[in-house]
Amino acid sequence: AQSVTQPDIHITVSEGASLELRCNYSYGATPYLFWYVQSPGQGLQLLLKYFSGDTLVQGIKGFEAEFKRSQSSFNLRKPSVHWSDAAEYFCAVGRTNTNAGKSTFGDGTTLTVKP
Amino acid sequence: SQTIHQWPATLVQPVGSPLSLECTVEGTSNPNLYWYRQAAGRGLQLLFYSIGIDQISSEVPQNLSASRPQDRQFILSSKKLLLSDSGFYLCAWSFKGTNTGELFFGEGSRLTVL
Repeated sequence: AQSVTQPDIHITVSEGASLELRCNYSYGATPYLFWYVQSPGQGLQLLLKYFSGDTLVQGIKGFEAEFKRSQSSFNLRKPSVHWSDAAEYFCAVGRTNTNAGKSTFGDGTTLTVKP
Repeated sequence: SQTIHQWPATLVQPVGSPLSLECTVEGTSNPNLYWYRQAAGRGLQLLFYSIGIDQISSEVPQNLSASRPQDRQFILSSKKLLLSDSGFYLCAWSFKGTNTGELFFGEGSRLTVL
């Protein structure tokens, strides 16, 4: 069975500082990987996704993530954090191609941005 | 463009009462539909998914049920709510066909069972 681990429950960074959120997954085949962002009391919005090809993927809002098969990781990065980036971030792994929407989510990382 | 609507946004119900949460997708046809639950401080747990009208699969045993009476309507129900049913419920849809797996979420329904 697939699983996703986000080791950091809560991260605090200063505005303008760089950010890296960690995600490790367990899946027997080539994974479909996603990062979603959730503002308080809201639904989730997709930031970026990886299926194949270039292991460095670019997303919305200046985010990027790098797929490292050897480390089973898909870490999210942003070079300079803005106060509006404060939210909860979820990493997810999709199942096979026909069931990729049946994703397994990590427990999330809450990002706080200090002024 | 596609939109997804979910209601009610907030619901407070006594233990043992029934539940009905509704979700409607617009701007696309024959989507895959999903109900996820998010417990406080936790990730999302897939409860049900549907690939078509009256085609529902349950991912976890529970006190809830789902129905899809129309192509773009997905309903989450319970006959008798339990305290453990409290949580944030999210409806989502995805494309079929190429199925990139990207999920499009509604705004969520917060259920408190007292």
